[in-house]
Amino acid sequence: GAVVSQHPSRVICKSGTSVKIECRSLDFQATTMFWYRQFPKQSLMLMATSNEGSKATYEQGVEKDKFLINHASLTLSTLTVTSAHPEDSSFYICSARGLTNTEAFFGQGTRLTVV
Amino acid sequence: DAKTTQPTSMDCAEGRAANLPCNHSTISGNEYVYWYRQIHSQGPQYIIHGLKNNETNEMASLIITEDRKSSTLILPHATLRDTAVYYCIVHSGGSNYKLTFGKGTLLTVNP
Repeated sequence: GAVVSQHPSRVICKSGTSVKIECRSLDFQATTMFWYRQFPKQSLMLMATSNEGSKATYEQGVEKDKFLINHASLTLSTLTVTSAHPEDSSFYICSARGLTNTEAFFGQGTRLTVV
Repeated sequence: DAKTTQPTSMDCAEGRAANLPCNHSTISGNEYVYWYRQIHSQGPQYIIHGLKNNETNEMASLIITEDRKSSTLILPHATLRDTAVYYCIVHSGGSNYKLTFGKGTLLTVNP
């Protein structure tokens, strides 16, 4: 299957700072990218969907000013958690889908811990 | 997108076939059945998908009933590394679809 690389895999930051997570499609052009958040023992929760060159569409209850998503190219999307707080600590996962794919491929996830 | 129902958990002996069921009784004619799995602390992994015919790849087989209201994912020879949460998802695959996850089935492969 296609490869999606997510970086960093693990990050610890201080409360009040911002953290950027990168998601790259390595061998295909990702026309659509999805960002998820997963709390312990829970399923993945979709945060937002972004199409290349367009503004992201956020799910209900997800603050767009707190979770900034940029999908500026067909191989890169970024999620920036601004002014992070301990309750933002979670496992963040990106997913990418190309124009010719009906299936989506996932990054390995980023474990964010806010202290 | 149609809703799916899966058992919360299942056990399987190593080396035996694991059969994971999924009910999707409200599936529409243009909706596909997708299976993903998530091994602990990793991102989900695509396994297989199908519309109405049975499908097989190097990872698994997908059996879809004739009325398309249910399906079964088959791992023919389960290994300990197949222990994971398996998600059955139904969607049309169109350009505007959103990939949303339910609770899935925790498959535990025992030695």
